[in-house]
Amino acid sequence: NAGVTQTPKFQVLKTGQSMTLQCAQDMNHEYMSWYRQDPGMGLRLIHYSVGAGITDQGEVPNGYNVSRSTTEDFPLRLLSAAPSQTSVYFCASRTLAGLGYTQYFGPGTRLTVL
Amino acid sequence: DAKTTQPTSMDCAEGRAANLPCNHSTISGNEYVYWYRQIHSQGPQYIIHGLKNNETNEMASLIITEDRKSSTLILPHATLRDTAVYYCIVTSGGSNYKLTFGKGTLLTVNP
Repeated sequence: NAGVTQTPKFQVLKTGQSMTLQCAQDMNHEYMSWYRQDPGMGLRLIHYSVGAGITDQGEVPNGYNVSRSTTEDFPLRLLSAAPSQTSVYFCASRTLAGLGYTQYFGPGTRLTVL
Repeated sequence: DAKTTQPTSMDCAEGRAANLPCNHSTISGNEYVYWYRQIHSQGPQYIIHGLKNNETNEMASLIITEDRKSSTLILPHATLRDTAVYYCIVTSGGSNYKLTFGKGTLLTVNP
C-alpha cells in the first residue's frame, strides 16, 4: 500500500491564484480530512469527509473548497490564494469500520503564497 | 472535547525511558486519550490510545491514572529517532471523532 499520498510536495503561488492540492489513499478508508499547520503550531482541521459525496467543515474552512467524488481522492481547492494561506497542508484518512482509531497522514504539501 | 495540557519541551538521554505527561482533568467518561507524534516536517504518526486501562504496543506504553485526569506516554528505550513533537489528544470515540492538535511536547533525545 502506498498509504496516503499528496501532490505536489512544494508549491509557490501568487496572491489571487487558484490551485488544487491533491490527496489520495489506497486503503479504502471512508474518512478523509485536510489539516493545515502553521509554524510552531498544532494542526488545524480545514474540511473532512465521511464518504463519497459527503463533506463538512472543520475549524478553519474559509478560503478552501473540497469535494469527494470517489473513496480514494479528496482534493483541496484554494479559490483565490492569500498570504495567510501560507502553510503546510496535511491530508489524513482512516476507516470508519470497527473502532477506526488510527488516522494515517500524508507527507504534506508546503505552500507559499507571495 | 476535553482540553489537554502538556509541557512545552523535555529532554531524554538515548537508551533511557522517556516519560511524557499529559493533563486532561476535564475528560468525560466516553473520551479516549490518543497519542500521536510528528517527526520534523513529516505528517503525524499514530502511537497509541486508551480509554481507562493501561495499554502497550510495540512503540510505547500508555498509563492512565485511575481518575483518568492525567496520563503518561512511556517510550521504554528512547533513540535519537524518537526526537519529535508528541501530541496528547482527548476525544470521544465512535465514527465521528475528530483529532484536535495542540502544540504538543517537543521531546529531544540526546546522545
